[in-house]
Amino acid sequence: DVKVTQSSRYLVKRTGEKVFLECVQDMDHENMFWYRQDPGLGLRLIYFSYDVKMKEKGDIPEGYSVSREKKERFSLILESASTNQTSMYLCASSLTGQGAYEQYFGPGTRLTVT
Amino acid sequence: KNEVEQSPQNLTAQEGEFITINCSYSVGISALHWLQQHPGGGIVSLFMLSSGKKKHGRLIATINIQEKHSSLHITASHPRDSAVYICAVVPWSGNTPLVFGKGTRLSVIA
Repeated sequence: DVKVTQSSRYLVKRTGEKVFLECVQDMDHENMFWYRQDPGLGLRLIYFSYDVKMKEKGDIPEGYSVSREKKERFSLILESASTNQTSMYLCASSLTGQGAYEQYFGPGTRLTVT
Repeated sequence: KNEVEQSPQNLTAQEGEFITINCSYSVGISALHWLQQHPGGGIVSLFMLSSGKKKHGRLIATINIQEKHSSLHITASHPRDSAVYICAVVPWSGNTPLVFGKGTRLSVIA
């Protein structure tokens, strides 16, 4: 059974804190993605990675960075959390070839920044 | 940029009704995905299609590449079908990620 796991389901952080969101997949997928989902805006791509140590900016990378040191793990970092980063964060992975293959999503992390 | 448009945004139906959700897109694509998200967050893939029609149980997805339009149909709807349905396209433009619609929130009432 394929699986994408995220480190937390719910997270509450204070403004200015550094926040790490971890995503792990057990399917040996090359591609990994970080999205945020907000009411009325749908899924928006923050960063993605095609391979270890590779990263590409998505549509809304400002205020975020990522790290992919191992194939199975893709981390999203909020260097200094702000209230406008309160959102649902979803990680996904897929085989190479992008949308030619199904994307598998993690359960999501609901982050609240106070 | 709204490259993928879904309609309606919200839909309430009585149990047993036939439901249609539409997706229109403005870019050339190689494939289109339909995804389902239940309350609580988890997103699962329902279909990936590049032409014609696919069926899985009570769900049917169709696509017309020339008209840049896809539909997701649910026959004999049930309250457990209540979810957000998301359309996503695979652009032709090289190595680019999926482009998502904003989703259609479906509520099926018993």
